[in-house]
Amino acid sequence: DIQMTQSPSSLSASVGDSVTISCRASQSISTFLNWYQQKPGKAPKLLIYAASSFRRGVPSRFSGSGSGTDFTLTISSLQPEDFATYYCQQSYSAPYSFGQGTNLEIK
Amino acid sequence: EVQLVESGGGLIKPGGSLRLSCAVSGFTFSNFGMTWVRQAPGKGLEWVSSISTGSSYIYYADSLKGRLTISRDNAKNLLYLQMNSLRAEDTAVYYCARDQITVAGTKAFDFWGQGTMVTVSS
Repeated sequence: DIQMTQSPSSLSASVGDSVTISCRASQSISTFLNWYQQKPGKAPKLLIYAASSFRRGVPSRFSGSGSGTDFTLTISSLQPEDFATYYCQQSYSAPYSFGQGTNLEIK
Repeated sequence: EVQLVESGGGLIKPGGSLRLSCAVSGFTFSNFGMTWVRQAPGKGLEWVSSISTGSSYIYYADSLKGRLTISRDNAKNLLYLQMNSLRAEDTAVYYCARDQITVAGTKAFDFWGQGTMVTVSS
């Protein structure tokens, strides 16, 4: 099974800052990597698929990169609505594991 | 508008069984694989099970294999998750999600329901 490890687990930042969240797979997954955003009490929302492709309607301040085993999600110029928990997830092979999540908090 | 609505959650005693349902609308259900994901209170997301369009391909999380059965009724636009021998650690919000095969040829869960809470407690 493929293990997904995110870092950091939590992150404090201010509105206007840029942040980067990392995700590492235990084996190569090519670009079969998705990023989701979840706010408290809500279902997750797909932000980025195939490592770097935007879902329609996602603001351009979100960007993803990487391939193989190392991936990043970058949020530039943080907005108040961006404070949430972010998860990476591999869709290379079942079980389609998630990272443990990164909680992005307001400083 | 794509909608997924889960139901069937509730309070159940350890060892009991429960069947969750996910009613979908706004898209051609039979054209999409479907997935269940759960989230224990205060914890992260855990993939549970996926089923292909025609039910030919079914996958389960290793930790849950043997206690779950995923199924679908394409005529009724319904997805199911039968859970048996429930344990306290199965307490979670259970989400259904649509599998989207992306233009890049990968898979992503592009639409999610609001979730249904399952509490396993005596």
